[in-house]
Amino acid sequence: AQKVTQAQTEISVVEKEDVTLDCVYETRDTTYYLFWYKQPPSGELVFLIRRNSFDEQNEISGRYSWNFQKSTSSFNFTITASQVVDSAVYFCALSEAGNAGGTSYGKLTFGQGTILTVHP
Amino acid sequence: DTGVSQNPRHKITKRGQNVTFRCDPISEHNRLYWYRQTLGQGPEFLTYFQNEAQLEKSRLLSDRFSAERPKGSFSTLEIQRTEQGDSAMYLCASSLTTSGTDTQYFGPGTRLTVL
Repeated sequence: AQKVTQAQTEISVVEKEDVTLDCVYETRDTTYYLFWYKQPPSGELVFLIRRNSFDEQNEISGRYSWNFQKSTSSFNFTITASQVVDSAVYFCALSEAGNAGGTSYGKLTFGQGTILTVHP
Repeated sequence: DTGVSQNPRHKITKRGQNVTFRCDPISEHNRLYWYRQTLGQGPEFLTYFQNEAQLEKSRLLSDRFSAERPKGSFSTLEIQRTEQGDSAMYLCASSLTTSGTDTQYFGPGTRLTVL
């Protein structure tokens, strides 16, 4: 069975600090997809990134970066120079491919989420 | 491109009543998902459709819950004989499956309160 663990329930930082959100996953599939979503106070989940299990390259997008390590089953998310607008709940999620074709099976399994508060 | 829309945004009902929620996916998205999120938790998968076909239902989905997507466009989620434990945010997401991709885009949710 697939499982996602976000051990950090809440993180509080001061603006301009760097912060890393941890995500550890469990799956028996060799083909799977990992996601990060942001849920601001308004409540709507916003897609941030998708990675497939065969692509271990780290990715950077502006102040956001992601570190995918299959050896430790981790997919961590770093925000550099945090801003107050980054305050939100962040979810890591996993989807197993479930077939040889590699098309995502669909169902997302989410972690419990990490509440990030950035103080001015 | 308009996003996923859900109606109503809020619903307050008394225990034992039936409620129905609607989800309109992003145009041309062939997959539509329903999730439930309770306070302090991540969303939990309920069911999903590919076009009109309901392909999977979670064990969380009791027989009081039913979902439809009759023409492969919008979907409805009905809860019969609501219970206080049904109080949650009900989230809908849609995606367009092409080879190797299935990114789900979420709607704003319907918050259900059962008194």
